[in-house]
Amino acid sequence: DVKVTQSSRYLVKRTGEKVFLECVQDMDHENMFWYRQDPGLGLRLIYFSYDVKMKEKGDIPEGYSVSREKKERFSLILESASTNQTSMYLCASRWISNQPQHFGDGTRLSIL
Amino acid sequence: RKEVEQDPGPFNVPEGATVAFNCTYSNSASQSFFWYRQDCRKEPKLLMSVYSSGNEDGRFTAQLNRASQYISLLIRDSKLSDSATYLCAGDSGGGADGLTFGKGTHLIIQP
Repeated sequence: DVKVTQSSRYLVKRTGEKVFLECVQDMDHENMFWYRQDPGLGLRLIYFSYDVKMKEKGDIPEGYSVSREKKERFSLILESASTNQTSMYLCASRWISNQPQHFGDGTRLSIL
Repeated sequence: RKEVEQDPGPFNVPEGATVAFNCTYSNSASQSFFWYRQDCRKEPKLLMSVYSSGNEDGRFTAQLNRASQYISLLIRDSKLSDSATYLCAGDSGGGADGLTFGKGTHLIIQP
C-alpha cells in the first residue's frame, strides 16, 4: 500500500510566521502535489513537482513556495502566514501521469 | 479553464437502494478519471479509476461517456457505511500536473 505521511495533523501558527509543512512518500513516486481544501471551494492545487528539484505552480501558488530536495520528500512553505491561509492542506503523490494520486492524512492549519 | 462539476447534494437514500450520480468535465483532452471517497475531516481515498468506458468493483460501477463528457458512479445495495462525500477527478490530458477535482457529492444513507 502507498503510504503518504504528513508531518502534523493539526498546527496552529501566528500571522507573519514562516510555516513548513512536510510530506514524505515511500513508494518512489515521481510526482508530488500540495492541495488545500476549503468548504465550498473544494480541492485546489497549490504546487506540484514531477521530479527532484523540479517544481511547477498550480492554480493558487501566491503566498506559498515548495522544496523537493529528495524524491520522497516534498515541503510546502508559507513564507509569511496570513489568516486566509487557514485551511486543510493535503499532500498527494503518484507514480506517473495517468495513475491515481494517493493522499496523506492532511494537516489542519490555523493561522491566528 | 479546466472544470469538473458535481451536484453537491446531499443525496438522502434509504439503505439497500441504488444511487447514481454524475460528474461532468470540460477538458476534452482528459484521459484518466478517478472517483474518491472522502469522510468528514479525513483525506480523500481512491475508490475507482476509470480509463476506458467504465469499471466495476463489487457494488460500485463507474461509467465514462466521452461524447457527452461525463462520468457516473453507481452504488448498488447501499450500506450505511457508504455515507460520505464522493469526489470526481480528471487529469489534464497527458501532462504531469495535478488532477482537477469536483467539489464533491454528499451522500447520506438512511436506515
